Amino acid sequence: GAVVSQHPSRVICKSGTSVKIECRSLDFQATTMFWYRQFPKQSLMLMATSNEGSKATYEQGVEKDKFLINHASLTLSTLTVTSAHPEDSSFYICSARDPSGRNTGELFFGEGSRLTVL
Amino acid sequence: EDQVTQSPEALRLQEGESSSLNCSYTVSGLRGLFWYRQDPGKGPEFLFTLYSAGEEKEKERLKATLTKKESFLHITAPKPEDSATYLCAVVSGSNYKLTFGKGTLLTVNP
Repeated sequence: GAVVSQHPSRVICKSGTSVKIECRSLDFQATTMFWYRQFPKQSLMLMATSNEGSKATYEQGVEKDKFLINHASLTLSTLTVTSAHPEDSSFYICSARDPSGRNTGELFFGEGSRLTVL
Repeated sequence: EDQVTQSPEALRLQEGESSSLNCSYTVSGLRGLFWYRQDPGKGPEFLFTLYSAGEEKEKERLKATLTKKESFLHITAPKPEDSATYLCAVVSGSNYKLTFGKGTLLTVNP
């Protein structure tokens, strides 16, 4: 199946610093990527939809100035957590839909990035 | 608003002991129901997509079924390597946003 790569897999940072997470589709071009956040024993919560060449669409309650999303190319989207605080510690997961796939909504997920803010 | 409820939250089985996981959903215009497997510290891995009531799909020891209100993931003669969290998600409307359930943590003991 399609492959989505996420980097870094783990990151620890100090409070107040910014952290960038990359999401790449390795064998297909993704015009749309999605960023999720997952707390322990909780559902994946959609944060935003990343659209290549345009602004991201954020879900209600997600601070767009806090979570900056850039989709600069058809294979790369980045999520920057700005001025991170301990409450931002979470598991962040990206996903992308292979537009050539016939299955509506079938998404391929990255391996996830665990952010710990001290 | 789409809602997905999975039960049980956790399930322990002995190797070879078959069982089923449940996913109940409330959506306006279901476009697809998805099952994913998630291992600890990893992203979800796609298993199945179901589109209409009555549809069934199989993969190795797993079989997914769909009705108008719920989906079941049947696990036949499970092995320890089947241990994982199984997530159910739905898509409705014209976008590709998935709404996930909280998952069922399956543990298969040897």
